[in-house]
Amino acid sequence: NAGVMQNPRHLVRRRGQEARLRCSPMKGHSHVYWYRQLPEEGLKFMVYLQKENIIDESGMPKERFSAEFPKEGPSILRIQQVVRGDSAAYFCASSSTGRDQPQHFGDGTRLSIL
Amino acid sequence: ELKVEQNPLFLSMQEGKNYTIYCNYSTTSDRLYWYRQDPGKSLESLFVLLSNGAVKQEGRLMASLDTKARLSTLHITAAVHDLSATYFCAVKYSGGGADGLTFGKGTHLIIQP
Repeated sequence: NAGVMQNPRHLVRRRGQEARLRCSPMKGHSHVYWYRQLPEEGLKFMVYLQKENIIDESGMPKERFSAEFPKEGPSILRIQQVVRGDSAAYFCASSSTGRDQPQHFGDGTRLSIL
Repeated sequence: ELKVEQNPLFLSMQEGKNYTIYCNYSTTSDRLYWYRQDPGKSLESLFVLLSNGAVKQEGRLMASLDTKARLSTLHITAAVHDLSATYFCAVKYSGGGADGLTFGKGTHLIIQP
C-alpha cells in the first residue's frame, strides 16, 4: 500500500498521559499536514511540515501539542498531558511539491481520552 | 480569517434524483477541493478546481467553481445508494504562506432506494 500510513488507528489514553501519533507520507511526498476532526465537524488544520522543518503551525494549540518530521522516519504529532477535549480523529495528509496537487489523507488516528 | 460554509449540512434524497451541494468561502482563493468521507474512513479526493469557470465531472458527480462569486457546487445526477457519504469542500487561501486547507463542516448525504 503506497498510501499515507498512520498508526495507531485507535489510541486510548488517560488524562495526563502522553499521546504520540505517527504518519508516514506517500512515497515521493515531502509535505506533511496534520488535521483534527471533531464529531460532525470538518477538519481543522493544525500544522504543515517538510523534512526537518515546521512551515506553518498556526493551527496548533499553544501548549501541549508539538509536531516533527525528522530526516529519517515518520512525522510525529505529540500531545502531552492529554485532556478530555483532545478526544478527536487526527488525520495526516501528504502532497508532492506541486502546489496544484491534492493532499492525500491517511485513515486517521482516533484518540480517546478516559 | 478564511471561512468556508457548506449547505445543506444534511441531505436525504431518493435514488434517481438530482441535487446540488453548495460551498461558499469568504476570501480570495485559487484552489478548491472536494473530498468524500465514508463513516470511520479517511478522505478521498474527488476534484481539484484551480480556476474560475472550472468544471470537472466524474461519473454522476460534477463540480464547478466561480471565483468571482466565491462559490463552488457539487452536482449529483441520478443519485445511487453508493454515493451516500459525507462530502467536504476545502479551500486553500491564496494570500501566500503555507498550504493548509480550510474545510467546510461537510454535507452528510443519505441516498435512499
